Order: sequence, then C-alpha cells, then structure tokens
Amino acid sequence: EAQVTQNPRYLITVTGKKLTVTCSQNMNHEYMSWYRQDPGLGLRQIYYSMNVEVTDKGDVPEGYKVSRKEKRNFPLILESPSPNQTSLYFCASSLSGLETQYFGPGTRLLVL
Amino acid sequence: QKEVEQNSGPLSVPEGAIASLNCTYSDRGSQSFFWYRQYSGKSPELIMSIYSNGDKEDGRFTAQLNKASQYVSLLIRDSQPSDSATYLCAVNGAAGNKLTFGGGTRVLVKP
Repeated sequence: EAQVTQNPRYLITVTGKKLTVTCSQNMNHEYMSWYRQDPGLGLRQIYYSMNVEVTDKGDVPEGYKVSRKEKRNFPLILESPSPNQTSLYFCASSLSGLETQYFGPGTRLLVL
Repeated sequence: QKEVEQNSGPLSVPEGAIASLNCTYSDRGSQSFFWYRQYSGKSPELIMSIYSNGDKEDGRFTAQLNKASQYVSLLIRDSQPSDSATYLCAVNGAAGNKLTFGGGTRVLVKP
C-alpha cells in the first residue's frame, strides 16, 4: 500500500530534551515536506526537500532541523524543544514540488 | 495580506444543496492548485487538483480556476453529512517548491 508513515503518533516530552520524528514514504517520491498545524494558524511549512541531500527552509524553520540521506526518509529533529513547538505535525511527499502532496497520519507533540 | 485566503466559515448547507467555497491567492506566478479535505484530528486528503484555467469536475466536486483574478473555487454538489469537514485550499508558488495553505473553510452539512 502506497503511504507516508510517521512515528511516533503521539509524544509528550519536556523542554530541552532532543527528539526526532521519523517520516518514511514508499512511493519513490522526490519531494518531501514537514508542516505544523496550529489552531487559527493553519498548516505552515517547516522544511522541504526537493531530493536526496537537498533541503530548504519553509515558513517556520526556527527550532527544527531535517536531513535527507535517503529518498524514502525525511526525519524532523527538535534539538531543544520548547512549549511553543507543541503542535500537530504532518509529513508529506509528492513526485515533484508541483504535484499532489500525500500526507502522513500526523504526530501530536506536547512539550511541557 | 495572507498569501492564500479563505473564509473560515462555518459554511452551513442543507443536505442535498450545493456548497460553494472560495480561495484567493497573491502569487500571480502560482502554477498548481489543490483542494484538500480534513476531518478533525486527521490528515489532509486530496479532493481535487487543477493546473489550468477553467473547470474540472470529479464526481460531486468541481474546481474552478481563474488565474487572471487569482482565485480558485470548489463546488460540492448534492452535499452529504459526510462532507462536513474543513476544506483547505493550497497553492504552489511560482518556484514550484512550496505549497502554501489557506486557513481552511469549515463546512457543516445539516441533514
């Protein structure tokens, strides 16, 4: 089944404790992206990757890191999480930047 | 001014009626346009994509694009209670590498 998977789905952590949210797709997509969704602010892009080893900032990159060492994986790293990073996070992938993006199930993060 | 704007709603429509959703965007060079549906707590799922001016129909859904006026719309015919969700307009910019979402329109279909 073609899909985008994210892990974990739910995470509660404390301020400053490094964490990684994994994202994987099995559709051989070139493009991958991370979004966060907050009430009243909608979906905002954090980082995106046009291809392996090519990443770039979206609208809200502060406090996040990404890497794209393999085509299928695009992990999101929070080196020192803060409460304002409490949010619902989505990973998405597409054939190219112009094509339809397919979303993972989401990761709900709470930073205390 | 937001890059992609939608009326937040809620848009309340009776079952069987037509729901009309609108979206405007600011980047005149935008190349691709999408409508996603999102149920509460779930991930967005694609309803329609449209790339050129005019109408595109898929079942009960019709997307309309007018690049000169910089708007894209979605019509839902014969609305069903299961259509109650938030509808997100998304626009891909001129560079083709960034998808910008509107804030979403909440639709409520009443039986």
